[in-house]
Amino acid sequence: GAGVSQTPSNKVTEKGKYVELRCDPISGHTALYWYRQSLGQGPEFLIYFQGTGAADDSGLPNDRFFAVRPEGSVSTLKIQRTERGDSAVYLCASSSEESPLHFGNGTRLTVT
Amino acid sequence: AQSVTQLDSQVPVFEEAPVELRCNYSSSVSVYLFWYVQYPNQGLQLLLKYLSGSTLVKGINGFEAEFNKSQTSFHLRKPSVHISDTAEYFCAVSTQGGSEKLVFGKGTKLTVNP
Repeated sequence: GAGVSQTPSNKVTEKGKYVELRCDPISGHTALYWYRQSLGQGPEFLIYFQGTGAADDSGLPNDRFFAVRPEGSVSTLKIQRTERGDSAVYLCASSSEESPLHFGNGTRLTVT
Repeated sequence: AQSVTQLDSQVPVFEEAPVELRCNYSSSVSVYLFWYVQYPNQGLQLLLKYLSGSTLVKGINGFEAEFNKSQTSFHLRKPSVHISDTAEYFCAVSTQGGSEKLVFGKGTKLTVNP
């Protein structure tokens, strides 16, 4: 596609529920990143994939957060037992050696 | 660990006036520096980056920034702003050559008034 696509654009869920956020990177981009942007803050790094493997997951806040990229393209960020503090905009970005980081428009997650 | 401080959370200016958005960073190793812009309801877009070489970096939309190692700063400037420059601007730092793991500042909301 023309850019990084994230779905859904908005997600409202109840505390304790499980959610999945999807990222479709730019075709051919081997690197994929997830960031989280809380209200009034800059984006914070969560996890980085190079191909199918997680090259750096040091930003994941706890074991309720998990991300996969099974075929080296689409990635899914999974959050278990959601808490109100998980409410934020989740940003996905992709890049290649020839192309700088491109961000998607994000998924706004609201936990009620 | 790296950190980024954007000293102004909001900067209001009049159209055609010059603007400077300030950014200071902290790092114990060499860094690479970036400015991103976020227009309402849109994703982050790269304005410019400093990886090496000339300390004055020119970006898109008439913006430029100067890397000052002694002052650990990377301030963003534009000599004459337009209404369309109204957006949130984020300074970011990386210790890797590309754009991999960025540490962002909290952002500066630039509002250009007619």
